[in-house]
Amino acid sequence: RKEVEQDPGPFNVPEGATVAFNCTYSNSASQSFFWYRQDCRKEPKLLMSVYSSGNEDGRFTAQLNRASQYISLLIRDSKLSDSATYLCVVNAGYSSASKIIFGSGTRLSIRP
Amino acid sequence: DAGVIQSPRHEVTEMGQEVTLRCKPISGHNSLFWYRQTMMRGLELLIYFNNNVPIDDSGMPEDRFSAKMPNASFSTLKIQPSEPRDSAVYFCASSLDTYYEQYFGPGTRLTVT
Repeated sequence: RKEVEQDPGPFNVPEGATVAFNCTYSNSASQSFFWYRQDCRKEPKLLMSVYSSGNEDGRFTAQLNRASQYISLLIRDSKLSDSATYLCVVNAGYSSASKIIFGSGTRLSIRP
Repeated sequence: DAGVIQSPRHEVTEMGQEVTLRCKPISGHNSLFWYRQTMMRGLELLIYFNNNVPIDDSGMPEDRFSAKMPNASFSTLKIQPSEPRDSAVYFCASSLDTYYEQYFGPGTRLTVT
């Protein structure tokens, strides 16, 4: 089993739809979690951190489920500009030697 | 606010040549990461530093790759000799510490012919 797994997609949804994807992780000691987005031929950019209590930023909501070891990203009222690859990142600890693992990404395509 | 700076942005070289990629992290960040991205393998962590010290270089593919961080504001990734299979986009990222969010540079697109 991969340490961090994401459905590669592509998710193809109409503009205005709500879309959600999950990211599962295998290390129960993982401490910090992030979602990044990456546009074609660009660098990954931080979308949001994922907190234990869940957090929301405009149309985006991130959740952490420690019991089932996954994080989720929900996008409401999707826009054409949301088309990108979404990467989850899991950090195994709070020390300088903690392991950082990027998922392989979920491709999202929003159609008009 | 200056983000992570990488140079060059594009590099085309012939097999067997030495390639040096450069990175300037965000000021005040203690951790620096080097990644490689290809269509086939996705984003791979090559090595990361904390307070200029290499912490984990297990992702470095082989001895042809080496990385240094002589001070808090500069790092290099060197490939010697380069091979066509090294063609990829190489990203540098920095963070306040290893468990904080990372900020990526624009990447260096390397083509080895």
